[in-house]
Amino acid sequence: QKEVEQDPGPLSVPEGAIVSLNCTYSNSAFQYFMWYRQYSRKGPELLMYTYSSGNKEDGRFTAQVDKSSKYISLFIRDSQPSDSATYLCAMNAGGTSYGKLTFGQGTILTVHP
Amino acid sequence: DSGVTQTPKHLITATGQRVTLRCSPRSGDLSVYWYQQSLDQGLQFLIQYYNGEERAKGNILERFSAQQFPDLHSELNLSSLELGDSALYFCASSVAPDGGYTQYFGPGTRLTVL
Repeated sequence: QKEVEQDPGPLSVPEGAIVSLNCTYSNSAFQYFMWYRQYSRKGPELLMYTYSSGNKEDGRFTAQVDKSSKYISLFIRDSQPSDSATYLCAMNAGGTSYGKLTFGQGTILTVHP
Repeated sequence: DSGVTQTPKHLITATGQRVTLRCSPRSGDLSVYWYQQSLDQGLQFLIQYYNGEERAKGNILERFSAQQFPDLHSELNLSSLELGDSALYFCASSVAPDGGYTQYFGPGTRLTVL
């Protein structure tokens, strides 16, 4: 079983929809949680970063972390065609893991006009 | 543009050969990371260097090696290449070595082994 599980989708939604992306994990040592967006043939780009449990909002994006359930989410409000990309969750345990990120498989999102 | 540069963009080579991938981190970043992205394995951490020293190691094959030079650029060397090594290789950088610091990814090098 992988340390981080993410539904690969694909997910197709109409413009303006609220999108919910999720990851579950098994390593209770993870304490830093990130969401990256990756456009086709490009490098991942950091969207959201959260330390420990809680919510964080940035414009149309909201990240939630529930460490008790080992579950993280990314919500995209008022989705746009430009949001069409692969979304990757990533996690880090800190300490002797230093900067090692463990990624989910990625969810392919398409927002159609 | 993240500020991380990688060369070359594409590399096509044959099985058994050796290649070198190059990465220049963002100005001021001391940590460099290498990741491999393939369709079946996803994005996998290979190795991290901080200010010239190895800091963390992932599932990096023995045929692969890396180093970070005094000017902070890094190279990933892949030898005795196999078909399964075909993948996208990303370099990332951050200002510090810990997980609490944002990693900025480069555009990647696409390696094709024929």
